[in-house]
Amino acid sequence: QSALTQPASVSGSLGQSITISCTGTSSDVGSYNLVSWYQQHPGKAPKLMIYEGSKRPSGLSNRFSGSKSGNTASLTISGLQAEDESDYYCCSYAGNSNWVFGGGTKLTVL
Amino acid sequence: QVQLQESGPGLVKPSQTLSLTCTVSGGSISSGNYYWSWIRQHPGKGLEWIGYIYYSGSTYYNPSLKSRVTISVDTSKNQFSLKLSSVTAADTAVYFCARASGYGDYLHSFDYWGQGTLVTVSS
Repeated sequence: QSALTQPASVSGSLGQSITISCTGTSSDVGSYNLVSWYQQHPGKAPKLMIYEGSKRPSGLSNRFSGSKSGNTASLTISGLQAEDESDYYCCSYAGNSNWVFGGGTKLTVL
Repeated sequence: QVQLQESGPGLVKPSQTLSLTCTVSGGSISSGNYYWSWIRQHPGKGLEWIGYIYYSGSTYYNPSLKSRVTISVDTSKNQFSLKLSSVTAADTAVYFCARASGYGDYLHSFDYWGQGTLVTVSS
């Protein structure tokens, strides 16, 4: 299966909002409500930010939100903070006990 | 708090077998509702799911790697392991172990990760 498609980079100013898209197909993103999002700082392990498309793990800031429309999922970060600067990856269940990730998006906070 | 830690050789020769172990602490690997996963990241690239195992031994693999991958579990040591055979330079990557979480057989995300270990394939 092919990787999910994410923009290579996005940027936003402190306090603003940004949205990162994640485009799959009708076999993965479009078929299941099982998109998750991960934040990864350089040299660190990924951290779960969103699961089941829009749910936040306990204790995670509500500045992070997720949504889906058709074959495209989105991660929105509101009130951008300096510490949000990181790489972000989406992931989707692809059926038959198979999972596919996106290529990652580098977020720059200006 | 669950913690995962990868261990194994950082250098493997081409055509040989890559072997890594993940030690789980802060919780039992035999707890239900979790699958224990391997995920890799090629240098400067995205993430790739390799496969996962249930504590009973049931395994599921990425179709693109299935012919070369074996994941096993040792519940007595609270560990699970990855073997990837016939490696080439294309298998050079950071390898992460992670816990897949959900409800029963319904998994929704990878919620705990190890710090990752770089494995280089080179002669």
